Amino acid sequence: DAGVTQSPTHLIKTRGQQVTLRCSPKSGHDTVSWYQQALGQGPQFIFQYYEEEERQRGNFPDRFSGHQFPNYSSELNVNALLLGDSALYLCASSLGAGPGYTFGSGTRLTVV
Amino acid sequence: QKEVEQDPGPLSVPEGAIVSLNCTYSNSAFQYFMWYRQYSRKGPELLMYTYSSGNKEDGRFTAQVDKSSKYISLFIRDSQPSDSATYLCAMSGSNQGGKLIFGQGTELSVKP
Repeated sequence: DAGVTQSPTHLIKTRGQQVTLRCSPKSGHDTVSWYQQALGQGPQFIFQYYEEEERQRGNFPDRFSGHQFPNYSSELNVNALLLGDSALYLCASSLGAGPGYTFGSGTRLTVV
Repeated sequence: QKEVEQDPGPLSVPEGAIVSLNCTYSNSAFQYFMWYRQYSRKGPELLMYTYSSGNKEDGRFTAQVDKSSKYISLFIRDSQPSDSATYLCAMSGSNQGGKLIFGQGTELSVKP
C-alpha cells in the first residue's frame, strides 16, 4: 500500500520563476494538506484541499496556490519565487479533516 | 510568542537512557496532541496521538498531556541509536479545521 508520493524530490529554480509540486495521497485518503518546512523549523501550514476545494489556508501570500483533482491528487504552485521560498515542501493526506495525517518525504526546493 | 514552543536542542544521550521531550502551548482550544519523528531528508512520521489530557503508552514511548499547564511530553525508554532523529510536537483543535500547529522540533542523538 503506497503512502504519500511527492514529485519531484529536489528542484532548483531561479528567483522570479514559477514552480509546480505534485502529490498523490495515500490510498483511501481524500484530503490533502501542504506544509512548508524551513531548515531547522517545524512545518508551517499552507493550505488544505478537500473535494477539489481549498478548505483552509494558512498565512501565506497569494503567490502560493493549489489544486486538487478528482482522483484526490494535488498540486502546489508558487509564482514569482523568492529566495525565502527555499524549503522542504511537505504534502500530508488524511481521511477527512484528520488530524491523523500521513506525510510524504517532501520536495526540497532551492531558489537561487 | 509562538503558539507552540519546543526546545530545539540538540539533545545528546547515551544508548539506554530515558529521554524526555517537551512542548508548551498557548492556545487552550487545542484538543489533539501528536508527536512526529522526522529522520534526515524524510517526511514526519506519526509516533503518538493523544486526545485531550492523560497518558498514552506504546512500547518504549509514552506521551503525556497536561492541559491545565498547557504542557505535553514524550518519554522514550531504553533509547536506541535508531531513535536519533528530530522529534516534532504538533497540535490541533476543533476550531482548526484539521490544521496542525507544529513546534520547532528537537534534534535527538543517541550515542552507542
